[in-house]
Amino acid sequence: DGGITQSPKYLFRKEGQNVTLSCEQNLNHDAMYWYRQDPGQGLRLIYYSQIVNDFQKGDIAEGYSVSREKKESFPLTVTSAQKNPTAFYLCASSMGRGTGTQYFGPGTRLTVL
Amino acid sequence: AQSVTQPDIHITVSEGASLELRCNYSYGATPYLFWYVQSPGQGLQLLLKYFSGDTLVQGIKGFEAEFKRSQSSFNLRKPSVHWSDAAEYFCAVGAGNTGTASKLTFGTGTRLQVTL
Repeated sequence: DGGITQSPKYLFRKEGQNVTLSCEQNLNHDAMYWYRQDPGQGLRLIYYSQIVNDFQKGDIAEGYSVSREKKESFPLTVTSAQKNPTAFYLCASSMGRGTGTQYFGPGTRLTVL
Repeated sequence: AQSVTQPDIHITVSEGASLELRCNYSYGATPYLFWYVQSPGQGLQLLLKYFSGDTLVQGIKGFEAEFKRSQSSFNLRKPSVHWSDAAEYFCAVGAGNTGTASKLTFGTGTRLQVTL
């Protein structure tokens, strides 16, 4: 089945540690996105990528980094510079043409202790 | 800049009753509009979308939405709610593809509770 997978579903880290969240898609979509979700704040865009080896900052990129070495993969690293990293992280993808409807993965809940 | 307002944070309806979730947007041109649903701890599932044409769009799970340009609204409706519809609902607005990406702006969501 085609879709977007995120791993792990739950992640616990100590304060000051970097952590990488995985996002893989087999939909042959060109564009991929990372969002952060906090209660009562909806979804906020962290980074997005239109093609391999290219990515753009979203609205809240500080303290995060990404890479896009393969079309299928768009990992997100939450660095120690992110002041409040505990949140639910969602990855999405969309076709590179047409209406650009985004499809979402199941999410990763990160808790920093 | 584009924005989305979902004025109702929390709505409770009885099973079998009708439902309307409100969404107002701000956008300079003709918007691309979406409704997504999220169950607790899960990702977002697309319910329906509007790009052009008929202003009443049908989606999955018996939902529909109506685009009203004069009111800058895109309200979601369902004639008879089922207990399984309890979830959080997000409205989003975008410009379609710019380059190969489509940036969306999301509302803060409406949590739907269904009483039996």
